[in-house]
Amino acid sequence: AQTVTQSQPEMSVQEAETVTLSCTYDTSENNYYLFWYKQPPSRQMILVIRQEAYKQQNATENRFSVNFQKAAKSFSLKISDSQLGDTAMYFCAFLSASGGSYIPTFGRGTSLIVHP
Amino acid sequence: EAGVVQSPRYKIIEKKQPVAFWCNPISGHNTLYWYRQNLGQGPELLIRYENEEAVDDSQLPKDRFSAERLKGVDSTLKIQPAELGDSAVYLCASKGHDQTEAFFGQGTRLTVV
Repeated sequence: AQTVTQSQPEMSVQEAETVTLSCTYDTSENNYYLFWYKQPPSRQMILVIRQEAYKQQNATENRFSVNFQKAAKSFSLKISDSQLGDTAMYFCAFLSASGGSYIPTFGRGTSLIVHP
Repeated sequence: EAGVVQSPRYKIIEKKQPVAFWCNPISGHNTLYWYRQNLGQGPELLIRYENEEAVDDSQLPKDRFSAERLKGVDSTLKIQPAELGDSAVYLCASKGHDQTEAFFGQGTRLTVV
């Protein structure tokens, strides 16, 4: 079974600064997907960024980028130019690409607070 | 395109009472998930449907929880009877056949008193 670990329960950052959220995972598979989801107080989980394990290039979406280290099984999220609207829970998730078990597995989350 | 719709958004019930949650996934999405999210934790899968078939339900407490997706579209999750420990947010998500991303609803926050 896959496990996803987010070791930072809470993080805070000043507006306009950069913050990095950590995520590690454990799997014996070679083909999989990794995600970062954002969950604001409205509770709706919103996909922030996705990484395919077979791609060496790190995914980037505007101010959001990842540092994917496959050998280390590490998948960190970097938020640049932090904005007040980035305040939310952030969840790292793993999805196997083989075996037909299409079940995203989530970490416990990191609460990010952006201060003005 | 409408997203995943869940209702109700909030529910407060007394222990031992029944409760039901409803989910309308994104049109055309074959896969539907029910997750439970306890306070301060990540979502944990309860059940996954492929069309109308429950294909992953090992984490569903079958003594009190039941779910159905009769026509492979809407789904209902029921708890009977509810216990104090069932207080949580219940999230529904759906995914298209050729997609990797799961789309989530806003969840139902259940409080059992």
